[in-house]
Amino acid sequence: EDKVVQSPLSLVVHEGDTVTLNCSYEVTNFRSLLWYKQEKKAPTFLFMLTSSGIEKKSGRLSSILDKKELFSILNITATQTGDSAVYLCAVEGNYGQNFVFGPGTRLSVLP
Amino acid sequence: DAGVIQSPRHEVTEMGQEVTLRCKPISGHNSLFWYRQTMMRGLELLIYFNNNVPIDDSGMPEDRFSAKMPNASFSTLKIQPSEPRDSAVYFCASSLTGGAANTEAFFGQGTRLTVV
Repeated sequence: EDKVVQSPLSLVVHEGDTVTLNCSYEVTNFRSLLWYKQEKKAPTFLFMLTSSGIEKKSGRLSSILDKKELFSILNITATQTGDSAVYLCAVEGNYGQNFVFGPGTRLSVLP
Repeated sequence: DAGVIQSPRHEVTEMGQEVTLRCKPISGHNSLFWYRQTMMRGLELLIYFNNNVPIDDSGMPEDRFSAKMPNASFSTLKIQPSEPRDSAVYFCASSLTGGAANTEAFFGQGTRLTVV
């Protein structure tokens, strides 16, 4: 059964801190790993990772995938209160026909 | 494109009533997913369709839940009869899969269901 585990489940930091969120997975026929940010409504897409060792960056956010060790990290530098959200990791498996989500990491950034 | 469109946005119903949630995927997408999200269980995949065909419904909790996709632009998730434990936010998502150009899953705004 496909499985995604995220850690920590909850994290509280202060503005300016750097955080690292972890995602490990087991999936049949891995296709890609995705990160989403969920505030009050629907998850919004951040990154899609398909190759090991290639960092993807968007502003203060970056992510990398290790397909050998079956994990990914999401880094956020110089955190801001607007980064407060649940960060979801998902894996796309089964020949690209389904997305399995982890439980998410709830990040709270205090002023 | 307006994105994935779900209706209604909110639904409050009494236990035992039938509930129908609706979804219009992004035009051109060939995969559609129904998820349920609760504080306790997070985001759970209920069922997904590829080219209008249900591929995996193992996440559907009980026979009270059913989903259909009569055409590429419309899907429904029905709960009959509804129970208080069905209260959750139900998300529909769509993506383009197959070949080299898979997209991420795009989510609708969700339907918040409350069964009293």
